[in-house]
Amino acid sequence: KAGVTQTPRYLIKTRGQQVTLSCSPISGHRSVSWYQQTPGQGLQFLFEYFSETQRNKGNFPGRFSGRQFSNSRSEMNVSTLELGDSALYLCASSPGSYRGYTFGSGTRLTVV
Amino acid sequence: GESVGLHLPTLSVQEGDNSIINCAYSNSASDYFIWYKQESGKGPQFIIDIRSNMDKRQGQRVTVLLNKTVKHLSLQIAATQPGDSAVYFCAEMDGSNYKLTFGKGTLLTVNP
Repeated sequence: KAGVTQTPRYLIKTRGQQVTLSCSPISGHRSVSWYQQTPGQGLQFLFEYFSETQRNKGNFPGRFSGRQFSNSRSEMNVSTLELGDSALYLCASSPGSYRGYTFGSGTRLTVV
Repeated sequence: GESVGLHLPTLSVQEGDNSIINCAYSNSASDYFIWYKQESGKGPQFIIDIRSNMDKRQGQRVTVLLNKTVKHLSLQIAATQPGDSAVYFCAEMDGSNYKLTFGKGTLLTVNP
């Protein structure tokens, strides 16, 4: 059974650019969440989607957005990149409530 | 220069010893808890979970204990092996908001 797949693995962008990250959940999982991991702030929740609906959003500026498609795949977008957006972005999928969240390997974004 | 990271608690044990990693959670409404292991360059790996209607749950070589009275969670690893060396995170969830809130992690080092 394939795990959570995130692409790309590594990305280098320039300040002011935008970026789109992709996440393919485990087959059959309908919930997809995104997290940002930095050395200073640890793991922080960005948003969660279920059946194409955003059910919760973390305390991030509006430059961070996401969406989920009908096949449960999800994308997140960050516009007008800042140096502080450099982080490991992690996606997790779950079949439903209280049933565990499996993480992908993440996308390492570096903003220069 | 490098940003100042979170000060991670550390635990150093000898191979074959039992390890206990502790976690205090903050939200009394949290009803689901997960322990994750994260190795360098990888995403968090699910170890074991527990719902708030339980006090203890056992897996292979791991046991999670939940004390709701003092909002404390612990992970016990039996016969710790060098391959167990990693950062361990506890995560809590209030099932109504679909969001995992992570602790800052504990670095476990197993000495051969």
